[in-house]
Amino acid sequence: DAGVIQSPRHEVTEMGQEVTLRCKPISGHNSLFWYRQTMMRGLELLIYFNNNVPIDDSGMPEDRFSAKMPNASFSTLKIQPSEPRDSAVYFCASGQTVPGGGTQYFGPGTRLLVL
Amino acid sequence: AQKITQTQPGMFVQEKEAVTLDCTYDTSDPSYGLFWYKQPSSGEMIFLIYQGSYDQQNATEGRYSLNFQKARKSANLVISASQLGDSAMYFCAMREGSGGYQKVTFGTGTKLQVIP
Repeated sequence: DAGVIQSPRHEVTEMGQEVTLRCKPISGHNSLFWYRQTMMRGLELLIYFNNNVPIDDSGMPEDRFSAKMPNASFSTLKIQPSEPRDSAVYFCASGQTVPGGGTQYFGPGTRLLVL
Repeated sequence: AQKITQTQPGMFVQEKEAVTLDCTYDTSDPSYGLFWYKQPSSGEMIFLIYQGSYDQQNATEGRYSLNFQKARKSANLVISASQLGDSAMYFCAMREGSGGYQKVTFGTGTKLQVIP
């Protein structure tokens, strides 16, 4: 079975440019999570979707960040305009929301460097 | 208060020995789940083990076991017979809520180094 797929795996861009990160969750999973990992702040939950609907976006740092999930098999995280402090590893994770369960499986991450 | 606390920033263990990584949590939600993930130097996050708040028995997955003490709000990871490949960062995480709403919090991690 294919795991969570993220693209691109690496992204280098200049300040002010738009960045779009993509995620394909595991087939059959109904929840999707976007995380950001930095040395300073550790692993932070940015937003999560349940059945394609954004449930909690309180972790999104500011209006420059937006996320969409147009269907059950695809999600995007967009940063516009990007800033150097956005440099981090961005993980997408998916899971199945079931009573008493809900393990999340992570994608390989996208390493973003904003110059 | 921290939702997830991992008090050991770094640990060393001799190969083939067992090691316990500590994790305490704080929640008032009766329905929650506790996870452990491994992050090797390559960067991927690997799911290891899960314990639900209503589970009666401690979770085990191969060499990994979760020592779940609900009254003490602790969920320590025990790795038996350590291997060199176990050297990595280990993160404890908690999911609160159930159904459509979930909140997930990760600890700061413990760096485990296995010594030959």
